[in-house]
Amino acid sequence: GEDVEQSLFLSVREGDSSVINCTYTDSSSTYLYWYKQEPGAGLQLLTYIFSNMDMKQDQRLTVLLNKKDKHLSLRIADTQTGDSAIYFCAEREKLIFGAGTRLAVHP
Amino acid sequence: KAGVTQTPRYLIKTRGQQVTLSCSPISGHRSVSWYQQTPGQGLQFLFEYFSETQRNKGNFPGRFSGRQFSNSRSEMNVSTLELGDSALYLCASSQGRLNTEAFFGQGTRLTVV
Repeated sequence: GEDVEQSLFLSVREGDSSVINCTYTDSSSTYLYWYKQEPGAGLQLLTYIFSNMDMKQDQRLTVLLNKKDKHLSLRIADTQTGDSAIYFCAEREKLIFGAGTRLAVHP
Repeated sequence: KAGVTQTPRYLIKTRGQQVTLSCSPISGHRSVSWYQQTPGQGLQFLFEYFSETQRNKGNFPGRFSGRQFSNSRSEMNVSTLELGDSALYLCASSQGRLNTEAFFGQGTRLTVV
């Protein structure tokens, strides 16, 4: 069946860039999303990319999509302590989520 | 515009009981999806409803069921609760099935003792 996989943890220093990776199996996915979940909160949509795009930039966020390899990444520039959260990638057909990557930002 | 409302926020049940959780989507949204979130398994898709019909279903046992009403509000029911059903249950609403954005509620935290 369809699956979305992510690495579970990422630790970065404040001010550095963070790159969170995701792979998916459903080649028919039309949209791919990145969600952020802060402790005790629901999921917040950060950004999305349509499957006919390779890259999308939105302020500090850059999403790269490699359709051939079914690989999606989220780059956060100038990572801040407020970026500490769990990040989920998801594909739209069934809104299947990855397990989430816990990003820890340290001074 | 009110967001997605899930009730109750917290629930404690004993093994063997059943539970019903409610989700009111954003006004005008017709699609509601349900997810189970646990520390070990991450976010698992339960089912999706659109216009009162179940459109997709995840890999959960038949003890998990749901429905959607004509006003798009949705309920999910879990019967014969097991300890492993303890989780945060999230619902998401979107205008249509392939729209770009799904909005999440705060979730219902279910504890089975």
